[in-house]
Amino acid sequence: NAGVTQTPKFRILKIGQSMTLQCAQDMNHNYMYWYRQDPGMGLKLIYYSVGAGITDKGEVPNGYNVSRSTTEDFPLRLELAAPSQTSVYFCASTTLNTGELFFGEGSRLTVL
Amino acid sequence: QKEVEQNSGPLSVPEGAIASLNCTYSDRGSQSFFWYRQYSGKSPELIMSIYSNGDKEDGRFTAQLNKASQYVSLLIRDSQPSDSATYLCAVNTGNQFYFGTGTSLTVIP
Repeated sequence: NAGVTQTPKFRILKIGQSMTLQCAQDMNHNYMYWYRQDPGMGLKLIYYSVGAGITDKGEVPNGYNVSRSTTEDFPLRLELAAPSQTSVYFCASTTLNTGELFFGEGSRLTVL
Repeated sequence: QKEVEQNSGPLSVPEGAIASLNCTYSDRGSQSFFWYRQYSGKSPELIMSIYSNGDKEDGRFTAQLNKASQYVSLLIRDSQPSDSATYLCAVNTGNQFYFGTGTSLTVIP
């Protein structure tokens, strides 16, 4: 049981490039979330999903896209990377919408 | 806009003392409340969850919830150097979880 797995752990992008952050969970959780955390700050919700085929915007969705084709996977796509997207990205999942969030180890992204 | 606010600190307490962390939230419809601990460079981990008004104790940790005042707190008794971390307050509203900016705690040996 690996929990929530994020890849890559580190990535450097040039301005204008695109990339996908991968997130997979093996706990059969319906609810999945993407957050970003800037230095010294809390977590800001980017997108979330309540089940396969269903996604919705969070607090800071601009510049990102998601998909949820399976229960296990919830990739986050960055289009036209900008320096403002330099951050640590966390994927999380839970079995109930009032339950504990299980976090991945994070993906540290730098846009230069 | 759902807001969760915490006293940002930093908070320093001597070893063995009580650390008190506070959090307020703006949405009266919020249903569940959580405290996460985050060590530097690591992902958040759950310490406490609380769903109804009052106190909830788990070992050295006590969470307090007052929905009328929209206030959540965390007390850490007998603070240890290993408690030094950032503590994040999280609030669940509907299908979303909102986080405060965190309070940095340092326990001085």
